Amino acid sequence: GAGVSQSPSNKVTEKGKDVELRCDPISGHTALYWYRQRLGQGLEFLIYFQGNSAPDKSGLPSDRFSAERTGESVSTLTIQRTQQEDSAVYLCASSFTGEADTEAFFGQGTRLTVV
Amino acid sequence: DAKTTQPPSMDCAEGRAANLPCNHSTISGNEYVYWYRQIHSQGPQYIIHGLKNNETNEMASLIITEDRKSSTLILPHATLRDTAVYYCIVSRKYNFNKFYFGSGTKLNVKP
Repeated sequence: GAGVSQSPSNKVTEKGKDVELRCDPISGHTALYWYRQRLGQGLEFLIYFQGNSAPDKSGLPSDRFSAERTGESVSTLTIQRTQQEDSAVYLCASSFTGEADTEAFFGQGTRLTVV
Repeated sequence: DAKTTQPPSMDCAEGRAANLPCNHSTISGNEYVYWYRQIHSQGPQYIIHGLKNNETNEMASLIITEDRKSSTLILPHATLRDTAVYYCIVSRKYNFNKFYFGSGTKLNVKP
């Protein structure tokens, strides 16, 4: 596609349930990032995938959060046993890496509401 | 990565230039200044980035002081659609996983 695609755009879930959020990066982008944005706040980095390297998970807030990416394609962010504090917009971004100038392109986000 | 300081909000009249300041006094020699904006309910959008020299593209201009401790994003002719939160980020190149998005500056463009 032309841009980073995220699904679903909105998700309402009950406390304690598991959720999966999906990100389709721009074709050819080797790097993929997940961020979380709570209401009225800036973005918090969660996890970073670069090619076949081990992901940088330093931003994941707890072991309830995990993410996978197969090759340079789709990524899934999973939140287990959701809590109300997990309510936020989850943003995915992708980028080229290399010597050329580049920037990260963001998707529209998935708005997660835990009730 | 260095952190930045931005005013929480600014107003600008439609058609006028919007000048958004950013302080980054602890910037290192290999760190770039990036600007992104976030229009309500959308993902952040890249605007421009630079290292030392001033930069210009179709969206904006970036003026970086000689000591690199501050910069200004200039939208030459602001429109109502430019109303957004503008984030100034300092990071090594390609270090998007280290991007620190603070609270940014809410730019209100008024008719």
